[in-house]
Amino acid sequence: QSALTQPASVSGSPGQSITISCTGSSSDVGDYDYVSWYQQHPGKAPKLMIYDVSNRPSGVSNRFSGSKSGNTASLSISGLQAEDEADYYCSSFAISSTAVIFGGGTKLTVL
Amino acid sequence: QLQLQESGPGLVKPSETLSLTCTVSGASISSTSYYWGWIRQPPGKGLEWIGSVYFSGSTYYNASLKSRATISVDTSRNQFSLKLRSVTAADTAVYYCARHGDYYGPADYWGQGTLVTVSS
Repeated sequence: QSALTQPASVSGSPGQSITISCTGSSSDVGDYDYVSWYQQHPGKAPKLMIYDVSNRPSGVSNRFSGSKSGNTASLSISGLQAEDEADYYCSSFAISSTAVIFGGGTKLTVL
Repeated sequence: QLQLQESGPGLVKPSETLSLTCTVSGASISSTSYYWGWIRQPPGKGLEWIGSVYFSGSTYYNASLKSRATISVDTSRNQFSLKLRSVTAADTAVYYCARHGDYYGPADYWGQGTLVTVSS
């Protein structure tokens, strides 16, 4: 069982918007703004999409945005495109000894 | 352009030690701004952070692996390494090396990953 909880799958049609949630606790997501989101296509290394809750690295489309409320962080993707179909993982700093924890991943299907 | 490349055996026997090296090119591993880490992904499963190292040799580990893992850095070769002792089939995974802004921070550059299978 993963330390952060994500839905196993989400789907949307091209052009639509979707949101993926990432629920932790007051020991990680709730107390620290160190949430990151990664996109992973099959057979490829993960790619950083969002860091520190809501910051986009250079080169990442502004269709991707991040937010946090309480113990839950969210990744939103607007104007869905076929190439957005991938697995998405959240991660957070955790004050517990593990230091970095990941969610179990969410498979995004673009219908 | 920063690049990271994992190398090491693709097959390790149970109870033996898994050894991997990550070679960094395009930037100095001695940068004071970054940490260098290992993350793994069992086939069909999610990501697991193993640990990170700073150029000075300071290390940080996932508590669940701390007793078996050792991460070290060789600044002269611009490399860092992972050793995981007493492996079992549960350690079969794709192992990635990555650059972090802090030991717990976002990983902005990743290697392509290398599959390590634990089997006799």
